[in-house]
Amino acid sequence: ETGVTQSPTHLIKTRGQQVTLRCSSQSGHNTVSWYQQALGQGPQFIFQYYREEENGRGNFPPRFSGLQFPNYSSELNVNALELDDSALYLCATRSGTGENSPLHFGNGTRLTVT
Amino acid sequence: AQTVTQSQPEMSVQEAETVTLSCTYDTSESDYYLFWYKQPPSRQMILVIRQEAYKQQNATENRFSVNFQKAAKSFSLKISDSQLGDAAMYFCAYRSPYGGSQGNLIFGKGTKLSVKP
Repeated sequence: ETGVTQSPTHLIKTRGQQVTLRCSSQSGHNTVSWYQQALGQGPQFIFQYYREEENGRGNFPPRFSGLQFPNYSSELNVNALELDDSALYLCATRSGTGENSPLHFGNGTRLTVT
Repeated sequence: AQTVTQSQPEMSVQEAETVTLSCTYDTSESDYYLFWYKQPPSRQMILVIRQEAYKQQNATENRFSVNFQKAAKSFSLKISDSQLGDAAMYFCAYRSPYGGSQGNLIFGKGTKLSVKP
């Protein structure tokens, strides 16, 4: 058990809608990263938050946005959903940004866009 | 930009036997980290083993070991005495030592490992 909880586990949305995915982690895990894993692919980095500020972003459009809260929970928001947004979304947390702090993954949220 | 390539989409091994999963990567950095992650049907990414590029000694974790060839940019995973619970997707990943967006994990496409009883 990693102590990282993602909700919901599954979600079905319609193209054009907006979605919010949630992640909660252990106390002290002040770094959170979000990854998108399309079917049959490895995860791709979306963005990272450290102490409630975005400090790194992958090659994803601005309609992918996030928030991190003081209680170590975080959100991934996606606006104007497209069919290609269908994927498993993984949240990963750690304490600090150093490599010696292990990364803990959640079980992911499976998003289907129809 | 760094890339990670796993050329074996699927592999199969007999229980108690040994299997090796391949991974190559491309980078211009001299210092970095390499990882193998396991993703069972539960979908959670589980760290199997990690290697720091500045260490010449290959990492080992119980039945799992790596063959790290820095000059060849190769990082294979050997699983000894395979068990049914080893069946999963295995992902090779690269991480730059720098922070921000450079510090994220870059994953390969994965290798699906089946274990036959």
